[in-house]
Amino acid sequence: AAGVIQSPRHLIKEKRETATLKCYPIPRHDTVYWYQQGPGQDPQFLISFYEKMQSDKGSIPDRFSAQQFSDYHSELNMSSLELGDSALYFCASSFDRYEQFFGPGTRLTVL
Amino acid sequence: GQQVMQIPQYQHVQEGEDFTTYCNSSTTLSNIQWYKQRPGGHPVFLIQLVKSGEVKKQKRLTFQFGEAKKNSSLHITATQTTDVGTYFCAGYSSASKIIFGSGTRLSIRP
Repeated sequence: AAGVIQSPRHLIKEKRETATLKCYPIPRHDTVYWYQQGPGQDPQFLISFYEKMQSDKGSIPDRFSAQQFSDYHSELNMSSLELGDSALYFCASSFDRYEQFFGPGTRLTVL
Repeated sequence: GQQVMQIPQYQHVQEGEDFTTYCNSSTTLSNIQWYKQRPGGHPVFLIQLVKSGEVKKQKRLTFQFGEAKKNSSLHITATQTTDVGTYFCAGYSSASKIIFGSGTRLSIRP
């Protein structure tokens, strides 16, 4: 069965650079979520989209933005990267806001 | 703001012993989900609880949702080495705003 696809799997950036993470949800899923997980921490909800419209915002910094496109894929754009942005970024998708299926994550390292 | 606390943070048990993790929200939840994350992996959905006082079982796992819909628990009977991982509760305050608990990391000695 198709799963959530995230790209890239690993990304290394320098401070003040920008990064774009991509997420391809499971086909026919109507909700996409973005999470940030630091080492040994729980996933922190960043933002979600329902049917391509932003539905909720969590602890997403102003330097970050996200959108969902007509083909339902989503992108998380991160600017002016800081060392503290180094983390694992998960995308998850669900249908009818039920079980969330998580992607494998993108590991971002900011040097 | 809304908080979801989970205890204990760590639990180390002998294989065959029981294990319980507790989740408490500062506000009433519309529903709660439980996830398991193996080391190096991504969270995997276990179950969703919606009704006040709901109890659900999956083999050796028993999930409960409190009457006030502010707390929940996961109990594993007779742990096995395959149960190793971090267990997260995730509470929904609205349709798509979710807060994960801090997680309970379970380790097991054979």
